[in-house]
Amino acid sequence: QQQVKQSPQSLIVQKGGISIINCAYENTAFDYFPWYQQFPGKGPALLIAIRPDVSEKKEGRFTISFNKSAKQFSLHIMDSQPGDSATYFCAASGAGAGSYQLTFGKGTKLSVIP
Amino acid sequence: IAGITQAPTSQILAAGRRMTLRCTQDMRHNAMYWYRQDLGLGLRLIHYSNTAGTTGKGEVPDGYSVSRANTDDFPLTLASAVPSQTSVYFCASSAPGRGYTFGSGTRLTVV
Repeated sequence: QQQVKQSPQSLIVQKGGISIINCAYENTAFDYFPWYQQFPGKGPALLIAIRPDVSEKKEGRFTISFNKSAKQFSLHIMDSQPGDSATYFCAASGAGAGSYQLTFGKGTKLSVIP
Repeated sequence: IAGITQAPTSQILAAGRRMTLRCTQDMRHNAMYWYRQDLGLGLRLIHYSNTAGTTGKGEVPDGYSVSRANTDDFPLTLASAVPSQTSVYFCASSAPGRGYTFGSGTRLTVV
């Protein structure tokens, strides 16, 4: 079964701290790993994505770390701010896995407290 | 502004009534999707369409139907609504190998 397991379910971080959300996948045919950010009352929006030819991708305060051998990837939010408070979803897909459909994790609710 | 438009934004519906949620995109994406989002369950795929004229069932298709007469529109129909269909519904679209673009959602309450 194509699954993406995400943890933790919820996370509370102090302002200025590092937020870390982890995901693990099973299907080795996955070759595209995006993260989505969702604010209350809004649809998810693409935040950052990585392909398995690199081990890390950084965009501003957001970094994806990718470990192909362990079949794990994680989102790191540096210098976390109250405005980062949102629900984050990891996902995975791959043409080799049969379709371009994304398989989503169940989400992590991040709260950044002042 | 390029993106996905969903309508209505919210609706209260009597059980047993028929309801169509509308979704229109202007990005000429081939693939479109309908998800429902419930607390603790994440995003669950209801139906999808890889291209105009074709549709497929997702993880939770029972009680829902879709059609894809053209590239831009992908309506979701609840033939006879039940309270368990109370949820937030998101439409999304994508180009091959790229991320999804989501709409702003429809909050549906079935009473």
